[in-house]
Amino acid sequence: QVTLKESGPVLVKPTETLTLTCTVSGFSLSNARMGVSWIRQPPGKALEWLAHIFSNDEKSYSTSLKSRLTISKDTSKSQVVLTMTNMDPVDTATYYCARILVDSNYVDYWGQGTLVTVSS
Amino acid sequence: DIVMTQTPLSLSVTPGQPASISCKSSQSLLHSDGKTYLYWYLQKPGQSPQLLIYEVSNRFSGVPDRFSGSGSGTDFTLKISRVEAEDVGVYYCMQSIQLPAITFGQGTRLEIK
Repeated sequence: QVTLKESGPVLVKPTETLTLTCTVSGFSLSNARMGVSWIRQPPGKALEWLAHIFSNDEKSYSTSLKSRLTISKDTSKSQVVLTMTNMDPVDTATYYCARILVDSNYVDYWGQGTLVTVSS
Repeated sequence: DIVMTQTPLSLSVTPGQPASISCKSSQSLLHSDGKTYLYWYLQKPGQSPQLLIYEVSNRFSGVPDRFSGSGSGTDFTLKISRVEAEDVGVYYCMQSIQLPAITFGQGTRLEIK
C-alpha cells in the first residue's frame, strides 16, 4: 500500500525558514520509475507545483520560487525534505507531497497535505 | 511555464444533467513520443486531488464511465454525462509535457443545484 505523509510546523513567522518532511511507504525512493514532488495550495486557490526529486537525486524547481527552495531525500529513511526560506504570509497554504510516475507523467498518489500558516 | 486556463470557474448542475469543462494550454501538449500529456483531477471537499483522466481521454482505474475526456493540441474538454451528488468538488486540468514542471488550471468548482 502506497502512502505519503507530510509533517512539519503548522505555524511559522515571516522571514523564517520552513522545513517539511514527506515520509513515504509502499515504494522506494530509489525506484527509477518514480519521483516525489511538493505541491501547494493556498486556501481556496489552485494547485502550484514547487519542486521535484528523481530517484537519481536530480532536482527540479519552480522557476518563480527556485531561489527559496531546496529539496533533498534520504532513501534509507524513505523521506523527502523541502525547505523554503524567507517565508511570507502569501506562502500560507496546504503543502502536499505527491508521487509522480516518471514513465507515465502523472501524480498517482498524494499525501493528505499539511496546512502551514505564516503569521507573526 | 505552460499556462493552463479553465472555463468556467464554477458550475451549478442539476443531478442527472450533463456538465462540461474546458481547458486550454498556452502551448501544445503533444509530445514527440506521440502522447498528449493532459490530465484531469477532482479534488473533493477536504480531500487530496484524485486522478480521473490521463492522456486526454483515458479513464483511470475505478473512474465511472460517465466521465469522459477529449481534445488535442491545446484545447481539451472534460464531460460528465449525468452529474451525481458525489461529483461535487473542484476539477483541475494538469499538463506534464514539461515534467516535472507540471502546471494546473485554476480549477472549476462543481456544485449541485
